[in-house]
Amino acid sequence: SQELEQSPQSLIVQEGKNLTINCTSSKTLYGLYWYKQKYGEGLIFLMMLQKGGEEKSHEKITAKLDEKKQQSSLHITASQPSHAGIYLCGADIRISNTGKLIFGQGTTLQVKP
Amino acid sequence: DSGVTQTPKHLITATGQRVTLRCSPRSGDLSVYWYQQSLDQGLQFLIQYYNGEERAKGNILERFSAQQFPDLHSELNLSSLELGDSALYFCASSVEPGAGELFFGEGSRLTVL
Repeated sequence: SQELEQSPQSLIVQEGKNLTINCTSSKTLYGLYWYKQKYGEGLIFLMMLQKGGEEKSHEKITAKLDEKKQQSSLHITASQPSHAGIYLCGADIRISNTGKLIFGQGTTLQVKP
Repeated sequence: DSGVTQTPKHLITATGQRVTLRCSPRSGDLSVYWYQQSLDQGLQFLIQYYNGEERAKGNILERFSAQQFPDLHSELNLSSLELGDSALYFCASSVEPGAGELFFGEGSRLTVL
């Protein structure tokens, strides 16, 4: 969706390196959701952010929400091959209060051992 | 395991044919969402049902239809199939609209030859 832009589109990093993926919305965010997808498989929910300034962490993955910029970042510390996959941000932009999410195009992450 | 079950996992059919994809939401979830994922379009919202009623419509073609049954499972019907309909079709569920994250099934991969 052009309403939600992710960058970069793809990323190749050496194992052990840190990386950041960004997600920017052109509409007001009422909730921002990060998912991970292995190619051709289902989406696995990672984290949900709802309040400006909110930051959540799970293992080596940290996500932040900047309400003013309508932007979220996903940061992976000391990347591992298990982090490889497609990261998708999904946003609730409160269209008719349906709870549906629109998604960015995804960021494909490769981690080289 | 998200608790959302989709069948079939893979489907190969010919142009002009009709197929039905089935989704069983997580136990207790009343809202079902259908998404289509293709390489060029990304993850696109098709349609949403809540407790048996259509709640929201997205980029769903007229050749496609869906319904949610009293037992809350949902079916997506795709007819007069074209080559461009080849994609991964995902079902997701939530307790109710706007309740938070969507839980995705593993998807049904449709190949139209």
